[in-house]
Amino acid sequence: SQQGEEDPQALSIQEGENATMNCSYKTSINNLQWYRQNSGRGLVHLILIRSNEREKHSGRLRVTLDTSKKSSSLLITASRAADTASYFCASDMVDYKLSFGAGTTVTVRA
Amino acid sequence: DAGVIQSPRHEVTEMGQEVTLRCKPISGHDYLFWYRQTMMRGLELLIYFNNNVPIDDSGMPEDRFSAKMPNASFSTLKIQPSEPRDSAVYFCASSPQGALGGELFFGEGSRLTVL
Repeated sequence: SQQGEEDPQALSIQEGENATMNCSYKTSINNLQWYRQNSGRGLVHLILIRSNEREKHSGRLRVTLDTSKKSSSLLITASRAADTASYFCASDMVDYKLSFGAGTTVTVRA
Repeated sequence: DAGVIQSPRHEVTEMGQEVTLRCKPISGHDYLFWYRQTMMRGLELLIYFNNNVPIDDSGMPEDRFSAKMPNASFSTLKIQPSEPRDSAVYFCASSPQGALGGELFFGEGSRLTVL
């Protein structure tokens, strides 16, 4: 079963706008990760945030984590056409397993 | 490093046939994971290995599925006999530390279609 759920399922924005997607998970975690998947390709790791961190930045990406609400958000600033992809949150479960959410499909219009 | 290498990239077979998917992890990574991705169920963890030993196969759907890792540089996922509901993209991923330690490195996937 999936540990995380993303919201929204799909997002369409204009180039240059910001994109925000949310993730909720069910059980306590050690860390939460975000991945990107371009159409027909494998998943690529974007960023990892540990349970004792509240916010993390990487380039145009900003991730927040609220362990009290069991939720995380991914913000992509100044979006580009190349950001068009599906984005997944993934939370660790016991025994080194990683459980993925259903993903948010982001379309950036030129 | 070339990354995680999977083969074949695409496989079309008929129901009842045996299917073998292959994976070469990144050298030095101690963990190897097999995931299956479908529209209906998303990404499901099937099995993972640590130092070539299967640790958790609770995600393997049924006895028709089997996975092996004979050495640190090679793993197979076999389906015998295959059924149409096995149609999916199968991903292999490797990691130096497992999910608790950091990121997983994914291959490009093997898209399986069972007719």
